[in-house]
Amino acid sequence: AQSVTQLGSHVSVSEGALVLLRCNYSSSVPPYLFWYVQYPNQGLQLLLKYTSAATLVKGINGFEAEFKKSETSFHLTKPSAHMSDAAEYFCAVSADNQGGKLIFGQGTELSVKP
Amino acid sequence: DAEITQSPRHKITETGRQVTLACHQTWNHNNMFWYRQDLGHGLRLIHYSYGVQDTNKGEVSDGYSVSRSNTEDLPLTLESAASSQTSVYFCASSPGGSSYEQYFGPGTRLTVT
Repeated sequence: AQSVTQLGSHVSVSEGALVLLRCNYSSSVPPYLFWYVQYPNQGLQLLLKYTSAATLVKGINGFEAEFKKSETSFHLTKPSAHMSDAAEYFCAVSADNQGGKLIFGQGTELSVKP
Repeated sequence: DAEITQSPRHKITETGRQVTLACHQTWNHNNMFWYRQDLGHGLRLIHYSYGVQDTNKGEVSDGYSVSRSNTEDLPLTLESAASSQTSVYFCASSPGGSSYEQYFGPGTRLTVT
């Protein structure tokens, strides 16, 4: 079975500071990993995805994530936070034996202070 | 542009009533999914479909049903609405095959009184 754990339901950073949102996964087969962002009253938007190519994945809005198999992690980072980054972020995992289904983490709400 | 839409965006209904939430995608995707989002639970899968006439139960399917009569639509029906089904519902689609990313609709906020 697969699972995803997002460490920290709420993260607060100052504008211009590093953003680090943590995601650890469990999977018995090679995983596919995703980060989604959800702005208030909107659906989820794909930020980036890992599909077994490069371990460092770049996404939209300056975000990137690094797949570390030894640590079973896929943490999301951004060097400098912007006020517009305030949103909820979800990590998700899938695999070839999951029939296209995604397993989501609980989500991390990011606040950005001026 | 291709997109995925949901209607209505907001719905208030009474306990015991039947409610249908619509989901329509214009990407011609084979796979479609319904989730509910509740505080503290993230997104939980209700039902999903891999194509016309195919439907499958997710982890929280009790009290819900879906039908897939064409590629574009996957309506979600609450047979007899309960207060525990007050939630935000999201529809998603994906191409299928080796492509696993899903594309989400804007959501429907359902309140059962």
